[in-house]
Amino acid sequence: SQKIEQNSEALNIQEGKTATLTCNYTNYSPAYLQWYRQDPGRGPVFLLLIRENEKEKRKERLKVTFDTTLKQSLFHITASQPADSATYLCAREVGNQGGKLIFGQGTELSVKP
Amino acid sequence: EAGVAQSPRYKIIEKRQSVAFWCNPISGHATLYWYQQILGQGPKLLIQFQNNGVVDDSQLPKDRFSAERLKGVDSTLKIQPAKLEDSAVYLCASSLDMANTEAFFGQGTRLTVV
Repeated sequence: SQKIEQNSEALNIQEGKTATLTCNYTNYSPAYLQWYRQDPGRGPVFLLLIRENEKEKRKERLKVTFDTTLKQSLFHITASQPADSATYLCAREVGNQGGKLIFGQGTELSVKP
Repeated sequence: EAGVAQSPRYKIIEKRQSVAFWCNPISGHATLYWYQQILGQGPKLLIQFQNNGVVDDSQLPKDRFSAERLKGVDSTLKIQPAKLEDSAVYLCASSLDMANTEAFFGQGTRLTVV
């Protein structure tokens, strides 16, 4: 079965540094991966989608990579700010199942001023 | 544009009671999802609708959970009877269709079963 794993340990970094979160998947490469942000008591908010044939995607201070050899996606936040503190979720599509997504358990990021 | 609306926001019930959650997706979104999120875990898909038809309900505990989307818009998720392990946040999400899968989530309903 397809699985997706994120580092369950919280990531604590200093303001201004780059945060890097990891998402690993098993079995075949998904056609795309998605990244979401979730704040306490709120639903996840979509951030980025990266397709299998895209090695890298950027949006403002966010960068996502997709390495099909390592079966891994990295999510980077550059020049991090305390407002970036949240839980970040990675999700993979399940092939040929009409948009079904499997989510990782999320990584909690804390940016200290 | 209005987001995904869910109600109630919180619910506390005793085990063996029943409960229902309501979701109004973003207007025009054909695909609707119900997720269960247990504290410290990622969302787990319970059921996915495309318009008023079920696309995937493989992870729905059908002996106690049911869901419907009769007119292809609003949806309800019901649990009857509830168990202690059903305590979780129930998230509704919608997307434009199954090809455009950026999901828009509601705030969720936090269910506590005592």
